[in-house]
Formats: sequence, C-alpha cells, structure tokens
Amino acid sequence: EPEVTQTPSHQVTQMGQEVILRCVPISNHLYFYWYRQILGQKVEFLVSFYNNEISEKSEIFDDQFSVERPDGSNFTLKIRSTKLEDSAMYFCASNPDRGEQYFGPGTRLTVT
Amino acid sequence: DAKTTQPPSMDCAEGRAANLPCNHSTISGNEYVYWYRQIHSQGPQYIIHGLKNNETNEMASLIITEDRKSSTLILPHATLRDTAVYYCIADNAGGTSYGKLTFGQGTILTVHP
Repeated sequence: EPEVTQTPSHQVTQMGQEVILRCVPISNHLYFYWYRQILGQKVEFLVSFYNNEISEKSEIFDDQFSVERPDGSNFTLKIRSTKLEDSAMYFCASNPDRGEQYFGPGTRLTVT
Repeated sequence: DAKTTQPPSMDCAEGRAANLPCNHSTISGNEYVYWYRQIHSQGPQYIIHGLKNNETNEMASLIITEDRKSSTLILPHATLRDTAVYYCIADNAGGTSYGKLTFGQGTILTVHP
C-alpha cells in the first residue's frame, strides 16, 4: 500500500541554522500539508499546498518557514533560522482531493 | 470548522467493543465528521468519516445521530494495538478550508488485557 515517507526521522540542529525537512507524498495525490506537534501538545496545522502554491497557512507559518515542491515527487519544509521553540515532530500529509489525509511518520526536530 | 468535544480518556477491555463519543453541536450541513488516531508519536492515521449516514469499514463503524450533533466511533473488538489518542474532527472537505485539519486534545483510549 502506498504511503507518505519523510526524511530524516530525526534532525538535530543548532539554533539559528537552516533545516530542510523532506517528504515524499503518495504519487497521485494533489494536496500536500505540513503539521507540527510540540511534545505533549496538540497536532497543529502549518500549511497546505496545491497546484504549486500555498493554499492556506497558519499564524505559526511565518517568514521563517517556506515550502517547495522542487520536482514531481518531493515536498519540502524549510525553516530558515531555527529557534528553540521550533523543536517538535513535523508531519507531512497528502490526499488526492480534499478528503481524508494520509500522514507520514514524522521528523523529530531538536533545536539545541 | 465546527468545534468538537471528546472525553479526555477512556478504558476498554481487550476483545470488547470500544465506543468513543464526540459532540459537534455546531456542525454545519456541509461538514463531515472525520476520525483519526495517533499511536504514541506516530503520524495521525485516518480511520473513517461520514456526513449523515452511518458508515463502516474494516477498522471501525461510525454512528452519527439524526440531528448530526454527535457521533460515536465503534471499534468492535478492541486489541492492545488500538491503544491511542482518537481525534474527532469536523471538516468542510471540499470547501474553502483547503483541507486544513484542526486537531483537539482527543480521547486517550487505553485497552487493557
């Protein structure tokens, strides 16, 4: 069964560094999403992406964040200058239309 | 999206049915009820969704009241692997929300041997 994959599974970075989290959505899906979950807290929506542009973004998704679909398969989340409070699990999701979403296993980002 | 309310935690014995309630009294006519679960720190997993009619799939059944103000997710024969946080989400799928899911705290279901 096709699934969403994410790399790396764990990323450790120093405050102020740039990180890129990578996702490979399911191949025929058209809508892509990033969510994050700070330890012990709720899953929070960051951004949705369709037709090569951002459809919707949350207040969390400020100028430090960007998303890109650089080729036909990858979907990336870049954090330009990481802060301690960016430490969280980051989940990518996709769906073929605006129905149920399929989530990846997540990337644990630790900012030191 | 309509707000949903779920009990913070529930217990269930292995092999018995787990019935997880959800209130969504402000749900609008074009909002679906979606259920997801999250096992430990894994990515959320889609379970089932419905609009008005009861639904069943290989994982669970969803019972929606006639007035659509509440619903119940039923896991017919719970196993230890069903221990997870279960989220009930009202989503305007296909509407202007572009599929953004708003997660609450969910219900922590613990299945006991």
